[in-house]
Amino acid sequence: EVQLVESGGGLVQPGRSLKLSCAASGFTFSNYGMAWVRQAPTKGLEWVATISYDGSSTYYRDSVKGRFTISRDNAKSTLYLQMDSLRSEDTATYYCARQGYSGLDYWGQGVMVTVSS
Amino acid sequence: DIQMTQSPSFLSASVGERVTLSCKASQNINKYLDWYQQKLGEAPKLLIYNTNNLHTGIPSRFSGSGSGTDYTLTISSLQPEDVATYFCLQRNSWPGTFGGGTKLELK
Repeated sequence: EVQLVESGGGLVQPGRSLKLSCAASGFTFSNYGMAWVRQAPTKGLEWVATISYDGSSTYYRDSVKGRFTISRDNAKSTLYLQMDSLRSEDTATYYCARQGYSGLDYWGQGVMVTVSS
Repeated sequence: DIQMTQSPSFLSASVGERVTLSCKASQNINKYLDWYQQKLGEAPKLLIYNTNNLHTGIPSRFSGSGSGTDYTLTISSLQPEDVATYFCLQRNSWPGTFGGGTKLELK
């Protein structure tokens, strides 16, 4: 069974940093691209960043480019999102998702990030 | 970025009714269109990918169609467990963009 479990969320002040993790199991992690998608409270979904199966390629939406870094450790089957210079508009539930041929086919349960002073 | 517009925003329907949800892209997305179901307090769940392919374990009452800029999700016979918000996602170009969602309720 595919499982994705996010951790590392919490309350952080504007301008500070936070690092999210996503532990994967139930599939060969190194065979799949991975993504982070966020959802602000009572809002829609926003694809934040994506990384190729081997980590050689990364993509970011413009609003987080230069502030967020997506990475992965295939030996640990873990995906990361380093978030620096956080802003209030980054407040959201962050989901990690597996990216296969059929798109974002499995998602974690999400982790809440609140940016507030 | 490609803009995705879903309609209607809210839909109320009866059990057993045929339901159609729409998603329109601001440009041709070459059928790289997926549909997700999100129940209250849960993560989104993939229903259909690449316009008309049913994801593993999804009931056959769900189906998708479309091309170019216009896409449709159909539930052939609405069930109580289908109450949720439905999102479309285009993956034709980066960044992938989601529609604003259709909230489906029981009448």
